[in-house]
Amino acid sequence: SQTIHQWPATLVQPVGSPLSLECTVEGTSNPNLYWYRQAAGRGLQLLFYSVGIGQISSEVPQNLSASRPQDRQFILSSKKLLLSDSGFYLCAWSVRWNSPLHFGNGTRLTVT
Amino acid sequence: RKEVEQDPGPFNVPEGATVAFNCTYSNSASQSFFWYRQDCRKEPKLLMSVYSSGNEDGRFTAQLNRASQYISLLIRDSKLSDSATYLCVVTPFTGGGNKLTFGTGTQLKVEL
Repeated sequence: SQTIHQWPATLVQPVGSPLSLECTVEGTSNPNLYWYRQAAGRGLQLLFYSVGIGQISSEVPQNLSASRPQDRQFILSSKKLLLSDSGFYLCAWSVRWNSPLHFGNGTRLTVT
Repeated sequence: RKEVEQDPGPFNVPEGATVAFNCTYSNSASQSFFWYRQDCRKEPKLLMSVYSSGNEDGRFTAQLNRASQYISLLIRDSKLSDSATYLCVVTPFTGGGNKLTFGTGTQLKVEL
């Protein structure tokens, strides 16, 4: 069966520090991969999605970036965090464009 | 108009009650529809897909009305454990990738 791993679970970082969140999927090949962010009390915002290695689509202009160095690995990064980057970051995968998403456990990021 | 709209609630219902949520979507070309459940500070989890003919899974029934562009979720015999936020999800046809759009959710509180 397919599983998705996301880490770390919680993170407290100072403003201006870098960020690297990692997500890996097991049990499937060539999944669509996604990064979402959920601010406190708000809906899910799609940040990036990828349909293949090295293919990244950005949905929202911001100081974040994403990379997919391997088929089942998706990384979210920032060179300098802002206070507004605080939130609940969720990695997800799907089989194809119209299939449901399956989420990792999420990373709760607090920028201080 | 938002792409996907939900009544945020909360819906406070007694245990054993029947409760229904609606979700409207703006893109008539939308192809796939889902309901997710999100517990406090947790990742969203797929509850059920929504098929054109309507579908049922135990106490949960989902329906799609393409003419009026809304989907619904009916929960019968509510349990305390049903307390959560229910997210409506819509996938428009994009020709590639997957840009699921999430509603902001409807909060359900089931009480004794």
